[in-house]
Parts: sequence; C-alpha cells; structure tokens
Amino acid sequence: GNSVTQMEGPVTLSEEAFLTINCTYTATGYPSLFWYVQYPGEGLQLLLKATKADDKGSNKGFEATYRKETTSFHLEKGSVQVSDSAVYFCALYSGAGSYQLTFGKGTKLSVIP
Amino acid sequence: GAGVSQSPSNKVTEKGKDVELRCDPISGHTALYWYRQSLGQGLEFLIYFQGNSAPDKSGLPSDRFSAERTGGSVSTLTIQRTQQEDSAVYLCASHTWTGGMGELFFGEGSRLTVL
Repeated sequence: GNSVTQMEGPVTLSEEAFLTINCTYTATGYPSLFWYVQYPGEGLQLLLKATKADDKGSNKGFEATYRKETTSFHLEKGSVQVSDSAVYFCALYSGAGSYQLTFGKGTKLSVIP
Repeated sequence: GAGVSQSPSNKVTEKGKDVELRCDPISGHTALYWYRQSLGQGLEFLIYFQGNSAPDKSGLPSDRFSAERTGGSVSTLTIQRTQQEDSAVYLCASHTWTGGMGELFFGEGSRLTVL
C-alpha cells in the first residue's frame, strides 16, 4: 500500500537557519506529492505540490523537488523565520481507484529568535 | 464563512456515550473527507464522499464509526459507545476536482476526549 515517511521531530532552529525536512514515499503508479502546514490553532493548509517527476513546488520561500529515482520530496527553505514555526506534513495521492490522500506523521518545527 | 466549519471544537464525553461531530464544507465542493489525527500518529483516513457516489468507508476503524452527508453538503461523523482510544482530533476537509487532486481545505478540527 501507499505510505509516507517523514523525519522525526521536533526540529528546533535559530532564525535564518537552513531547513530541510526529509520525506520519502512508497506508492503504486505515479503519485502527486504535497506538503501541508498546520500553524498553531489552525487547520492544515496546502504549502506546495508537485504532480510529476522532476517538478519543483515552491511557495513562501519553501521548495521541494519530486525525485522519482529516490522516491523523495524533501522540503527546504534557505532562511527560516519565527513565523514558520508549525507542523509540516508530507502527503501523496496515487489515484489508482482510491481518493485517499496519504499523510506522513508530521514534523514539528520551532524557530527561535 | 468561506472556510470549512467544524463543530463542536471540543468535546469531552464519558466512555460508552455516543458523539456526533459536524462538518460544514465550502459551498460547491463536491468532495469531503474525514481524517483522525492522533498524537504522534499523523492523519488517518476515515471516509470519503464524492457527489452522489457511494462513499469510500475503507478507513473507518470499527462498526462503531459511521458518517453521512446530507444533500451533498453537511456531513456528520457519529461514534457510538465511545472508547478511550477514540480520543483524537477529527478533521474534515473538502475540495473540488480540477482535473486531478487539488487543494484540500481543512477545518480546524473537533477535539474529542473520552474519559
């Protein structure tokens, strides 16, 4: 079946540090890949997505590249801010008769001034 | 409002009682999901509704769980004879198909605590 594995958290960084949150997946076919973010006290919201191999999704300074050869979709940001403190979820949608979006367990990021 | 609305935001109940959780999706969104978010477990798929099609109930953990969607809009998730392991945040999301899996819009969730 489909699965998503994210790096364990929590992750604590100083402001302006470089961020990487690893995400790897197992899926049938050619899935679409997503990063969702959950800010404190809010619902999840889409951060970025990529629908085919070698696509790069980007938003708010965050980037992730769909790597089919390594089945990965790592999230990166060059310089984090305190306002980026949130829980980040990697997810995939494989279609193939199922409408489920499969999520990873989430990685909590705390950015300190 | 323009977003997905869930109620109640918090529910504390005693073991063995029944609970109902409500989701009001974004107007015009044909697809609706329920997920369960447990501490350290990520998001667990429960059920999916799409228009007038039969729902995908493959994620419901037991026959104590059921859901319905009336008139293609509001959805209710019912948990009968609640157990302590049912304690979690129940999330609802809606979206509309745009030639593929588009953005899911999530509500803020209903936090259920079973004592």
